[in-house]
Amino acid sequence: KQEVTQIPAALSVPEGENLVLNCSFTDSAIYNLQWFRQDPGKGLTSLLLIQSSQREQTSGRLNASLDKSSGRSTLYIAASQPGDSATYLCAVNSGGSYIPTFGRGTSLIVHP
Amino acid sequence: KAGVTQTPRYLIKTRGQQVTLSCSPISGHRSVSWYQQTPGQGLQFLFEYFSETQRNKGNFPGRFSGRQFSNSRSEMNVSTLELGDSALYLCASSLDIVLVGYTFGSGTRLTVV
Repeated sequence: KQEVTQIPAALSVPEGENLVLNCSFTDSAIYNLQWFRQDPGKGLTSLLLIQSSQREQTSGRLNASLDKSSGRSTLYIAASQPGDSATYLCAVNSGGSYIPTFGRGTSLIVHP
Repeated sequence: KAGVTQTPRYLIKTRGQQVTLSCSPISGHRSVSWYQQTPGQGLQFLFEYFSETQRNKGNFPGRFSGRQFSNSRSEMNVSTLELGDSALYLCASSLDIVLVGYTFGSGTRLTVV
């Protein structure tokens, strides 16, 4: 059974810092990994999707990497801004049912 | 193009009542999945429908049920509501979960009093 862990659970940083959020998974036989952002009380917004055959994906100030052999993905946020404050979740798609397994998320606060 | 639409956005119900939530997926998406999100348990998978058939089911009691219509719109129903059913219910649709992943709706906040 796939297990997904996100560390740290919470992070508070000053504006302008470069950040790394971590996502670890136990079964490396994955189809893809998707990073989401969730604002309080809202739905999840997809940020990046990395296919099993890819090493990284980039969108603006966001870069997600994937290392299947070590069971890890990182989300890099460059030059953080207060508007980046949210919870970031990763979802790993593996197994025959194609139902993703979600981590518990990293709650990020970027203060001015 | 329109996103995933969930209605209503907020609901307050009394214990013992039943509730129906609605989800309209992105046009062309035939897969619709439902999740329950609570602070204590995180995101928990309820069920997935594909072309009007329940394809996958999570570990929830029979009080939780769903269905999908021929236009891919989906509803979920919770009968005999309990206080612990208070949660954010999220719907996600997908064209192809492997190629393009999920798109989520804004959710329905259910409060049971």
